[in-house]
Parts: sequence; C-alpha cells; structure tokens
Amino acid sequence: GAVVSQHPSWVICKSGTSVKIECRSLDFQATTMFWYRQFPKQSLMLMATSNEGSKATYEQGVEKDKFLINHASLTLSTLTVTSAHPEDSSFYICSAINTGGTIEKLFFGSGTQLSVL
Amino acid sequence: ILNVEQSPQSLHVQEGDSTNFTCSFPSSNFYALHWYRWETAKSPEALFVMTLNGDEKKKGRISATLNTKEGYSYLYIKGSQPEDSATYLCAFSVSGGGADGLTFGKGTHLIIQP
Repeated sequence: GAVVSQHPSWVICKSGTSVKIECRSLDFQATTMFWYRQFPKQSLMLMATSNEGSKATYEQGVEKDKFLINHASLTLSTLTVTSAHPEDSSFYICSAINTGGTIEKLFFGSGTQLSVL
Repeated sequence: ILNVEQSPQSLHVQEGDSTNFTCSFPSSNFYALHWYRWETAKSPEALFVMTLNGDEKKKGRISATLNTKEGYSYLYIKGSQPEDSATYLCAFSVSGGGADGLTFGKGTHLIIQP
C-alpha cells in the first residue's frame, strides 16, 4: 500500500526556536496533504489543508504565521512551527491523498511528538 | 461544530472474547464514515470507509456497520487476539473529492489480555 513518511518522529526544542516537520509520499503523488494536531486525550484536530503549488487553507483558530506550511512538490509537504512555545507541545501528524483520489484514499504518516521546553 | 463521539474510551478484553464499540456522528451533511486502526508509533491504518445507510463491511475478524439516519457505527471484533490491541479511531467526512479533512473521535483504546 501507499506509504507516507514523516520526520522527525519526535523533537525537543527550546522555547523561541523553530521546528520543521516533513511529510513525504514515497510511492505516489499527493496533490493534497492534511496536517492534524492531537493534544493528550483529545481527538486529532485538522489544522490545515495544503494543495501542491498553492497556499494552505487553515482551520479557524490556527495561526497561519505561526504554522507555516509549504507544499512545493507532489511528494513533499512541510510544517514549520515558528517561535515555538510550550503550549505548542503536541503530537502532529500528516496525511496525504493520492492524486486523483478521493478522501477514501487517505494515507497517514506516523506522527511527530513535539516538546517545547 | 461537528462532533464525533466514541465509546468506550478504553476497553480491556480477554483473548478469544468478542467485543464491539461505538462511534456516533452528526447525521446531517453526511458523506462517509471511516474506521482506522492505530498502533503506537505507527501510522493509522484504514480499516473501512462506509457511505451508505445499512452498509456492513468485513475484514477478517473485524466488521463494521453504519446507520446514517441515527448517526452511529459499530465496530465488531470476533475472537480477539493480542495483535488486535490498538486504538480504533472513527472519522466523519461531509464531502468527497478530497476537498475536506476528516473529523475524528478520540478513539477507543483496546487492550487484549492473554
């Protein structure tokens, strides 16, 4: 089946620094990628939808200047948490749709646990 | 605000026993209901996608049913095995074509005891 690789699996950073998380589709082209966030004991919450070659669409309450999303190619999307603060500590996970596919063909990365000190 | 509720939050089941858990979702603007199986440190794995009221799907010992009119889905596991231990997520979508993300429940954490 299709594989989505997400790196890093976990990261610890100091408050005020920026962290970049990569999401790659290894064996298919992903026109659309989604970024989710999960706080402890909560649901996966959609942060933003990114389409290759265009600006990401952010969900209400998600700061676009803080969570920079780049989807410059059909196999790579990145999420950069800028000037991270302890409240940004969370689990971040990406998912990708196979080009021409519907929501049914949705594949997930394995997630990134971010801890901001 | 879309709300997807899953119950129970966690479940301990003896190996060999059968079990089931519930996902409830808004019945309006329904497009599809998804079940995922998520093991720790791995990617969520798609189990089923159901779109029609009355749908029943089966994969090995795992099956699922869908009632879109009343807004619920059941996931059944027959003859539980230790490898079934995982978090089972359900998610709801209001449109197809890849335009929107999914709205997830908090999951049911299943532990199979040998």
